[in-house]
Amino acid sequence: QVQLVQSGGEVKRPGASVKVSCKASGYTLITSDITWVRQAPGHGLEWMGWINDKNGNTNLAQKVQGRATMTTDTRTNTAYMELRSLISDDTAVYYCARRSGVSWFDPWGQGTLVTVSS
Amino acid sequence: QSALTQPASVSGSPGQSITISCTGTSSDIGDFNYVSWYQQHPVKAPKLLIYDVSNRPSGVSHRFSGSKSGYTASLTISGLQAEDEADYYCSSYATTTTVIFGGGTKLTVL
Repeated sequence: QVQLVQSGGEVKRPGASVKVSCKASGYTLITSDITWVRQAPGHGLEWMGWINDKNGNTNLAQKVQGRATMTTDTRTNTAYMELRSLISDDTAVYYCARRSGVSWFDPWGQGTLVTVSS
Repeated sequence: QSALTQPASVSGSPGQSITISCTGTSSDIGDFNYVSWYQQHPVKAPKLLIYDVSNRPSGVSHRFSGSKSGYTASLTISGLQAEDEADYYCSSYATTTTVIFGGGTKLTVL
């Protein structure tokens, strides 16, 4: 079945970068965009952007433009989201999900907790 | 707009029906039929319940249904069960932000 498995949790210092991976199985990334959504502790969902594996085009939320980079590796069927210049407000669970329609996402990865702390 | 507007909490007794509203603007819900709903249990990933306003993915119970009128979308859960206790999020395509989520609604089954 279609499944997305993400990398493990990370603890980073302010100013550092983090790169989260999302490995797809049961389908190939080239057939659908991968979206990234984050959720700060006790807060709601925040859309970060998506990437199209076929052409590499990305659509990033204004809030993370300039700090986030989304990429894919066709050889390993894995998507990546890198976030730079981390601040404490970036502490959140980061989810990848398959963009299965115009703006709906299914399935989702299990989530990756990124903690930014000095 | 930072988020679609949802009630912070709703509650109902087993067997009852409840409705969660999700209000947007002319730049999102009012202009597009691309509303989706997600269920999230504690420390779990969100799960898709409804897409494109009223479509249910295979495997999702018929007790979940979606609708839209004007700038407001709604999720109705009928025959409430204890396992329905979770957080629910709406989402819409948006002209300004591409995708916008609601703030989330905590459903308590009494």
